[in-house]
Amino acid sequence: SQTIHQWPATLVQPVGSPLSLECTVEGTSNPNLYWYRQAAGRGLQLLFYSVGIGQISSEVPQNLSASRPQDRQFILSSKKLLLSDSGFYLCAWSAGANTEAFFGQGTRLTVV
Amino acid sequence: AQTVTQSQPEMSVQEAETVTLSCTYDTSESNYYLFWYKQPPSRQMILVIRQEAYKQQNATENRFSVNFQKAAKSFSLKISDSQLGDTAMYFCAFMSTGTASKLTFGTGTRLQVTL
Repeated sequence: SQTIHQWPATLVQPVGSPLSLECTVEGTSNPNLYWYRQAAGRGLQLLFYSVGIGQISSEVPQNLSASRPQDRQFILSSKKLLLSDSGFYLCAWSAGANTEAFFGQGTRLTVV
Repeated sequence: AQTVTQSQPEMSVQEAETVTLSCTYDTSESNYYLFWYKQPPSRQMILVIRQEAYKQQNATENRFSVNFQKAAKSFSLKISDSQLGDTAMYFCAFMSTGTASKLTFGTGTRLQVTL
């Protein structure tokens, strides 16, 4: 069966420090991968999505970047965190355009 | 670009009653998929129900059913016999079927089920 792993679960980082959140999927190949951010009490904002290795689509210009170095690995990064980067980050995968997305447990990021 | 709108930020329903959550969307595509996700306090996203746009029949999953009106671009969720465990944030989502496969969410409706 397919599983998705996202880590860390919580993270507290100082302003100006780098960020690396990792997401991996097991049990499937060539998944669509997604990074979302959820501000407190708000909806899910799509940050990046990828339909294949090295193919990254960015939805909102911001302080973050994403990479997909391997088929089932999706990384969210920042060189210098801002206070406004705080939030709940969710990674998700889907098998294609006609299937639902499955989500990781999320990472609560607090920038101080 | 696709947009998904949930106009009800919060709703409340008594246990065993029925509640309907609204969702509208905007797209120029003719084929797509729609979903309702539930996010309980644990913040884990859980799929509730899905609907293919090319199917006229409304999807149902136990106590959950949808009213899909393609021409009106409306996709509401009905929860029957509400239970305390239904308390959660509910998100409507749209997925395009093209190569982009972008999954776009609404802003959510916070549902509180009361005794």
